[in-house]
Amino acid sequence: GAVVSQHPSRVICKSGTSVKIECRSLDFQATTMFWYRQFPKQSLMLMATSNEGSKATYEQGVEKDKFLINHASLTLSTLTVTSAHPEDSSFYICSARVEGAGEAFFGQGTRLTVV
Amino acid sequence: DAKTTQPTSMDCAEGRAANLPCNHSTISGNEYVYWYRQIHSQGPQYIIHGLKNNETNEMASLIITEDRKSSTLILPHATLRDTAVYYCIVRVLHGATNKLIFGTGTLLAVQP
Repeated sequence: GAVVSQHPSRVICKSGTSVKIECRSLDFQATTMFWYRQFPKQSLMLMATSNEGSKATYEQGVEKDKFLINHASLTLSTLTVTSAHPEDSSFYICSARVEGAGEAFFGQGTRLTVV
Repeated sequence: DAKTTQPTSMDCAEGRAANLPCNHSTISGNEYVYWYRQIHSQGPQYIIHGLKNNETNEMASLIITEDRKSSTLILPHATLRDTAVYYCIVRVLHGATNKLIFGTGTLLAVQP
């Protein structure tokens, strides 16, 4: 299957700082990318959907000014957690899909810890 | 997208077939059935998908009932590395808002 690379895999940051997570599709062009968040012992929760060159669409309850998503190219999307707080500590996962293809492919996830 | 219902957890002996059920009684005619799995602390992995015919690939088989209201994912010879949470998802194939919405899934524990 296609490869989606997410970086970093783990990050620890201080409360109040911002953290950027990158998601790259390595061997295909992703017209759409999705960002998820997963708390311990819970399922994945979709945060937002981004299409290359346009603004992201956020799910209800997700603060767009706190979770900045940029999808500047067909192979790269970034999620920036601004002014992070301990409650933002979570497992963040990206997914990429080619329009018209059935399956979406996932990155390996980023474990964010805010101290 | 239609909702799905899966058992919370299942056990399976190593080397035996693992049969994971999924109910999707409100599935629409243009919605596909997808299966993903998530091994602890990793991103989900695509397994298989189908519309109405049974499907098989190198990882698993997908059996969809004739009325499409339920399906079963079959891992023919489960190994310890198949221990994971398995998610059954139904969604349309095309469209700009073609999102994967995850339910709670089934925790499959393969026992030695």
